[in-house]
Amino acid sequence: GAGVSQTPSNKVTEKGKYVELRCDPISGHTALYWYRQSLGQGPEFLIYFQGTGAADDSGLPNDRFFAVRPEGSVSTLKIQRTERGDSAVYLCASSLTTAETQYFGPGTRLLVL
Amino acid sequence: AQSVTQLGSHVSVSEGALVLLRCNYSSSVPPYLFWYVQYPNQGLQLLLKYTSAATLVKGINGFEAEFKKSETSFHLTKPSAHMSDAAEYFCAVSGRTDKLIFGTGTRLQVFP
Repeated sequence: GAGVSQTPSNKVTEKGKYVELRCDPISGHTALYWYRQSLGQGPEFLIYFQGTGAADDSGLPNDRFFAVRPEGSVSTLKIQRTERGDSAVYLCASSLTTAETQYFGPGTRLLVL
Repeated sequence: AQSVTQLGSHVSVSEGALVLLRCNYSSSVPPYLFWYVQYPNQGLQLLLKYTSAATLVKGINGFEAEFKKSETSFHLTKPSAHMSDAAEYFCAVSGRTDKLIFGTGTRLQVFP
């Protein structure tokens, strides 16, 4: 079956612009996670959803970052007033429920110039 | 609080040699432990996971890991390396909250 998909695969933007990153989880998976991976580092947790609600958003670095999952399936990570330090690979993962194995998408590589 | 330390950012082995990638964890609750592999320009793929059942966990591609509570370790091993094993390997821990806390990764190189 289809895995987790993320669009776009690459995004180049200018400092101060707004960006949206999309994640399509595996069909039927109720839990969805966002991570950020900077160059040479391991992924860092940002936020996770159980259904439509954000169950834990403790990893969001500041209020420029926001994520939604309005229908409990597709999720969008939104970054306002982008900064060069936001450049990273943004990874999405989904699992059947929480406490189940997380399956990762290929990521969106964001470059802020 | 939970954390993971991976000793050695780069490991090089010859084809056919033993692979040993080290991971130590810290957790205030009984941990779930994971090893993921990341091939260039691909997403993370689960190799194996420990969830408090058997302490010796077997995964895909001939990898295995042993949970040692006394040493707070979860090292990854493979008896004989293949060229196709060259990749970045990440150890991760989670607790009740289910978010994964990753180490900084170990890049494995395999020489012919």
